Amino acid sequence: AQSVSQHNHHVILSEAASLELGCNYSYGGTVNLFWYVQYPGQHLQLLLKYFSGDPLVKGIKGFEAEFIKSKFSFNLRKPSVQWSDTAEYFCAVISHGSGNTGKLIFGQGTTLQVKP
Amino acid sequence: IAGITQAPTSQILAAGRRMTLRCTQDMRHNAMYWYRQDLGLGLRLIHYSNTAGTTGKGEVPDGYSVSRANTDDFPLTLASAVPSQTSVYFCASSASGSSYNEQFFGPGTRLTVL
Repeated sequence: AQSVSQHNHHVILSEAASLELGCNYSYGGTVNLFWYVQYPGQHLQLLLKYFSGDPLVKGIKGFEAEFIKSKFSFNLRKPSVQWSDTAEYFCAVISHGSGNTGKLIFGQGTTLQVKP
Repeated sequence: IAGITQAPTSQILAAGRRMTLRCTQDMRHNAMYWYRQDLGLGLRLIHYSNTAGTTGKGEVPDGYSVSRANTDDFPLTLASAVPSQTSVYFCASSASGSSYNEQFFGPGTRLTVL
């Protein structure tokens, strides 16, 4: 079965620190990859997505992610975090296998706490 | 444009009771989804619908049912609630069921089953 693993469950950083959140998936075929963010008390919003082309994708609010096919990874990065980045971050994958109906498979989520 | 609305915002329910969570979208999206969010497990798909009149089972469908009588509405029903169904429920929609479409999420319903 397909799965998505986020290695960091809870990350605490000071403002201006660099961020990298790990995401690995288990599926050998073609995939589309997403990072969603959930700010406290709010619904999920799309940060960025990868479908094809340049494996380094840039999203909103200074976030970027790199797709490394050989490592089945799609890590999220930001050079300098802000207090407003405090949120929960979810990596998600959709496979292109037969019978696929746009079912997103989510990782467990990473809670990021940024100290001012 | 409201996007996706869910009702109620939160609910406390006695075990054994029937409950319907409502979801409405105004984006004329063909596909809609129901997820539950549990700590340490992320979001898991309960049921989905690629178009009005059709539904399908997700990863954790047991104890839940859905209907899709029209494009805009996708209610989720718990026929006889159990404490393990305590969770936050998110409805989502996308233009189609294609894997290339972004899913948009509603604000969620926090359900507690006692």
